[in-house]
Amino acid sequence: DIQMTQSPSSVSASVGDRVTITCRASQGISSWLGWYQQKPGTAPKLLIYASSSLQSGVPSRFSGSGSGTDFTLTITSLQPEDFATYYCQQVNSFPLTFGGGTKVEIK
Amino acid sequence: QVQLQQSGPGLVKPSQTLSLTCAISGDSVSSNSVTWHWIRQSPSRGLEWLGRTYYRSKWYNDYAVSVKSRITINPDTSKNQFSLQLNSVTPEDTAVYYCARGIPAGGRYNWFDPWGQGTLVTVSS
Repeated sequence: DIQMTQSPSSVSASVGDRVTITCRASQGISSWLGWYQQKPGTAPKLLIYASSSLQSGVPSRFSGSGSGTDFTLTITSLQPEDFATYYCQQVNSFPLTFGGGTKVEIK
Repeated sequence: QVQLQQSGPGLVKPSQTLSLTCAISGDSVSSNSVTWHWIRQSPSRGLEWLGRTYYRSKWYNDYAVSVKSRITINPDTSKNQFSLQLNSVTPEDTAVYYCARGIPAGGRYNWFDPWGQGTLVTVSS
């Protein structure tokens, strides 16, 4: 199985800050990585697929990059509604696997 | 707009069978372009993909090795829904269970969008 490791596990930030989250795969997955946002009590929501493609309706302050084993999710100018937990997911091979999550908290 | 509505019991006794259903609106379980998944989430295991069903001229299933001997995912075309059955449950199967649609994008399938609302299933006597 491909292990997905996210860092940091949590980050404290203020509205307007730039936040970067990293995800590392235990083996190369090309660009087959997605990012999800989850707010308490709700299901995850797809933000980015194929490493850098923005899902329809997702604000442009979210961006993704990377290929192979190292990936990043960047939120420029953090908004109040962005405080949530973010997960990466690989679709390179089965079983599909997720990272452990990064909680973005209010400073 | 595609919506997934989950239903099923929130409490299951050890050794019994967990059964959940995911009703689809705005798409078809028989679609040739998407896949249908079950995922669970617990504090100890995080987000864990369990399996999928999909139709490409015939029905296919894939399951996670960790549950392969105990899981069945079935489509129900008459009701446009799909179901999860997990046999011989233990307290370790306690989790929030989600259904999700796997969409094709960027050259690959299995990006999950949307998800069902989630069902907390507790395994306890």
